[in-house]
Amino acid sequence: NAGVTQTPKFQVLKTGQSMTLQCAQDMNHNSMYWYRQDPGMGLRLIYYSASEGTTDKGEVPNGYNVSRLNKREFSLRLESAAPSQTSVYFCASRRDGHTGELFFGEGSRLTVL
Amino acid sequence: SQQGEEDPQALSIQEGENATMNCSYKTSINNLQWYRQNSGRGLVHLILIRSNEREKHSGRLRVTLDTSKKSSSLLITASRAADTASYFCATAPVSSNTGKLIFGQGTTLQVKP
Repeated sequence: NAGVTQTPKFQVLKTGQSMTLQCAQDMNHNSMYWYRQDPGMGLRLIYYSASEGTTDKGEVPNGYNVSRLNKREFSLRLESAAPSQTSVYFCASRRDGHTGELFFGEGSRLTVL
Repeated sequence: SQQGEEDPQALSIQEGENATMNCSYKTSINNLQWYRQNSGRGLVHLILIRSNEREKHSGRLRVTLDTSKKSSSLLITASRAADTASYFCATAPVSSNTGKLIFGQGTTLQVKP
């Protein structure tokens, strides 16, 4: 049982390049989330998907897009990377949209030069 | 904006001692959760306490919730070197209809052998 799997684990980009972070969960969870973690800032919600077919903005959505491809997969895309997007990105899932614990992936460390 | 504020930011204790971390929040909540993050890893759920609960135990963990003061505490008893990690509180605001969690900045705990 893999839980939440994120790829890639590490990535270095140049300013202006694009990339997609992939996330997949095998727990049949309805809700999925993308957070970013920066020193001294805790975790901030970028986008979330309460159920398959729906996505909504979180606290810091600017510069990002998401796709809920199916119930298992939720991807995060940076169209034109900026140094301010250097961060550690975490995907998480939850069985239902309103209560309960989040299950996190191991994180994707992104550096934008 | 940060919902949860944690105190202290860093804590260093000897193995066998108890560790207490505090979390304050600003708005009414449905529940409050505590997570642990080992260095370079994803967050792992520890315990959830609902707004109508005052205290909850799980193994060596004890969580209290005071909704009148909008605060919670996490007590780890008889700490071990393996408890060295960052600990985050996360709140589920009543105002959110999507169940999204808002994380604090975390407390870094070091347990010296």
